[in-house]
Amino acid sequence: GAVVSQHPSRVICKSGTSVKIECRSLDFQATTMFWYRQFPKQSLMLMATSNEGSKATYEQGVEKDKFLINHASLTLSTLTVTSAHPEDSSFYICSAIYNEQFFGPGTRLTVL
Amino acid sequence: DQQVKQNSPSLSVQEGRISILNCDYTNSMFDYFLWYKKYPAEGPTFLISISSIKDKNEDGRFTVFLNKSAKHLSLHIVPSQPGDSAVYFCAASANGANSKLTFGKGITLSVRP
Repeated sequence: GAVVSQHPSRVICKSGTSVKIECRSLDFQATTMFWYRQFPKQSLMLMATSNEGSKATYEQGVEKDKFLINHASLTLSTLTVTSAHPEDSSFYICSAIYNEQFFGPGTRLTVL
Repeated sequence: DQQVKQNSPSLSVQEGRISILNCDYTNSMFDYFLWYKKYPAEGPTFLISISSIKDKNEDGRFTVFLNKSAKHLSLHIVPSQPGDSAVYFCAASANGANSKLTFGKGITLSVRP
């Protein structure tokens, strides 16, 4: 199957700082990537759809000014959590489509 | 409002026996369904999918059955192996394979040696 990577795998930051998470499709090009979030013992919830060369589409209830998404190339999408707060602590997962939807390994964000 | 429901939080089966994981959905616009396997602190791994034009899809030990009239699908794993122990998520899309997914809450499968 296709390989999707994420970096970093784990990040701890202070409240008020911004954190950037990268999602890369390693062996294929992806015009569309998705960003999901998973809270403990909960389902994966879609945050936004990242489209190469255009603005991201956000799901209802997700603040686009807080979760900045940039899909600058066909193999890279970034999610920046701006002015992070403890309630933003979660597991963030990206995915890209190559016949099926393949997921990255996830990024554990902890905001102190 | 949960559009994809996995009502059983856990399932335990004996190695070699069949594991049957169930999933129900409420949105009649869903036309593509997937099953993912997930370990803690890792991303989901794609297992198998099925389009709404089919009622069965098989891949090795994994078979997915779809009952559109009942809005129900199930994943059968046979024979079950200890390495199958993980959380299994059912997911659905309303626009084929290349669209955003709605996930269920997952079910934890434990396969006893």
